[in-house]
Amino acid sequence: DAKTTQPNSMESNEEEPVHLPCNHSTISGTDYIHWYRQLPSQGPEYVIHGLTSNVNNRMASLAIAEDRKSSTLILHRATLRDAAVYYCILSPPRGSTLGRLYFGRGTQLTVWP
Amino acid sequence: DTAVSQTPKYLVTQMGNDKSIKCEQNLGHDTMYWYKQDSKKFLKIMFSYNNKELIINETVPNRFSPKSPDKAHLNLHINSLELGDSAVYFCASSQDRLASGLTGELFFGEGSRLTVL
Repeated sequence: DAKTTQPNSMESNEEEPVHLPCNHSTISGTDYIHWYRQLPSQGPEYVIHGLTSNVNNRMASLAIAEDRKSSTLILHRATLRDAAVYYCILSPPRGSTLGRLYFGRGTQLTVWP
Repeated sequence: DTAVSQTPKYLVTQMGNDKSIKCEQNLGHDTMYWYKQDSKKFLKIMFSYNNKELIINETVPNRFSPKSPDKAHLNLHINSLELGDSAVYFCASSQDRLASGLTGELFFGEGSRLTVL
């Protein structure tokens, strides 16, 4: 399983942007970068995913380094509801078993009012 | 309507008992999964079924037996429960085992917390 490295915890104030980093130096050329988050007492929730280009959706943006060895999840304006554990995960491309996602420890994001 | 629903949400039982956790998805997805989250919060895949066929079976004791009566349901039966089985078990589904359409998304249930005494 491909490995990712994330800080154990980060903090932010409400309504400020948050940049959550992830290192994946052993990423292969076809691995997708996925982000999920897990709110307290809930199941993981999909946030965003990408391959090479930066991606935006209604929840967040994903900035992928040119060499793909790192990526950053960007929450543009943190809310209290964004307090969660954020997981950066590499997964093989279409044609493989997508569900075999390996979750690491993730980053615990604390949002202060 | 809950997309992926699991029952029961909480389960407390004695060592040696047999118990089941049920999962149903109403998303029309082809593939369903069981994940286990231990006390250290690590989330690990256990099983995956695609159209009632087992496609992922990680190194899980054979006391754990998944059963998929149809593609909308994936149940987990655990025999001879041990203390180490205490965890939160998450069911998930995706469009198919190749990729979830354009999103590559897994949908998770809210989890079933199993406590073995």
